[in-house]
This record gives sequence, structure tokens and C-alpha cells, in this order.
Amino acid sequence: QVQLVESGGGLVKPGGSLRLSCAASGFTFSDYYMSWIRQAPGKGLEWVSYISSSGSTIYYADSVKGRFTISRDNAKNSLYLQMNSLRAEDTAVYYCATPHSFDAFDIWGQGTMVTVSS
Amino acid sequence: EIVLTQSPGTLSLSPGERATLSCRASQSVSSSYLAWYQQKPGQAPRLLIYGASSRATGIPDRFSGSGSGTDFTLTISRLEPEDFAVYYCQQYGSSPSSWTFGQGTKVEIK
Repeated sequence: QVQLVESGGGLVKPGGSLRLSCAASGFTFSDYYMSWIRQAPGKGLEWVSYISSSGSTIYYADSVKGRFTISRDNAKNSLYLQMNSLRAEDTAVYYCATPHSFDAFDIWGQGTMVTVSS
Repeated sequence: EIVLTQSPGTLSLSPGERATLSCRASQSVSSSYLAWYQQKPGQAPRLLIYGASSRATGIPDRFSGSGSGTDFTLTISRLEPEDFAVYYCQQYGSSPSSWTFGQGTKVEIK
């Protein structure tokens, strides 16, 4: 079945780095744009980054621009988020998501928790 | 940036009652690129409505979306026990760098 599985979350000190991965299965990954969306504890959803199906077009939220880098490997059916210069306010569950059957995010991963704390 | 304001923040209702959730945009949302999601504790969001009024696959017809421009509504005609959750609206028109979510409405059991 269509599935996204995130990994790579954990505890990191302020200023540190972390790389998240999102493994896709059950669909033709290279046909779909992907996004990362995060949710701070007890808070709402925040769109973080977008990458087109080919990887040629990328966007970031202002809150992460210059610190986070989104990428994908269509041969490996995988999406990545390299997070550098992490701050306490980056603490959140990070979801990867894609519009598979509709033009809104209908496929979500289970999320991976990132905690930035000393 | 288009700011989405959801109201009320919390809706306290009983099973069987009608729920009406509002999502107001600070600017017109292009081509009705407005979605609604349901999120339960510890789970990822679930797409309910896209294009302001179209139901996603498997979504019961007690869920309906309406609106255009800057004012959108999610209606749950008769609340079932499994409908008590947090609901978010999202606009996904224009450039991805402008995509935003509302702050959420919690529908709780009265």
C-alpha cells in the first residue's frame, strides 16, 4: 500500500545537526512532489519545505531558510531533510507528506520527533 | 503570507449534534485551494476535504466543506464518537512558500 516512513529523529543540542529521511513505497515516488511539515509539542501544523518531483524546484519556510536543506533520491524512493544550526524552536514532530490521489496532502508518514535541547 | 484564522478555538458538543467550523483567510485563496484535515492524538493528520468542498476517499458524507475567497466552513452534520479531534484548514494555492495552516479547532465531547 501507499506508505511514507520517516526516520532519523532524536535529541540534539542547540547548534547541532540532524538528517531526517522519508522512505516511500507503494507508489511511483518520482511522479510526486514532497513536503516536510512539522508540529511543535501541543501546537499546530507548520509547512517547512517543498521539493518538486524532479528535485529541480525547492521552497522553504522563512523560519528554516538557510539552515535546512531538502533533497530527494528518486532511485532510492527517499526524501531527506538536512537540518543544521538547530534551535530549541525547531523541536517538533516532523512529517513527510505528498498529494497522491488529490491536490492536497493525502499521504502522511507517522512522523519522527526532533528534540533540540542542551 | 496568507494567514488562516480558525474559529472557534474549541467546540464543545454532544454526539449527534452538528458542528460548524470556520476558517477565514487574510487574502483570497486562489482557485479554492483550501483543505481540511482531522488529527487525533498521536496520529498524523488525515485529509478530509480538498478544493474547499471535495471529500477525500473514504470520508463519510457527514463531512462537508463549503466557501470561497476568504471564508470557508467545515460542517459535520451529526457528530460520531470518532469525530472528536482537532481540525485544521490549509491553503495550498499560489507558491508553496506561501502555504499555511490554520491554528486548529478542537472538537471536544460536551
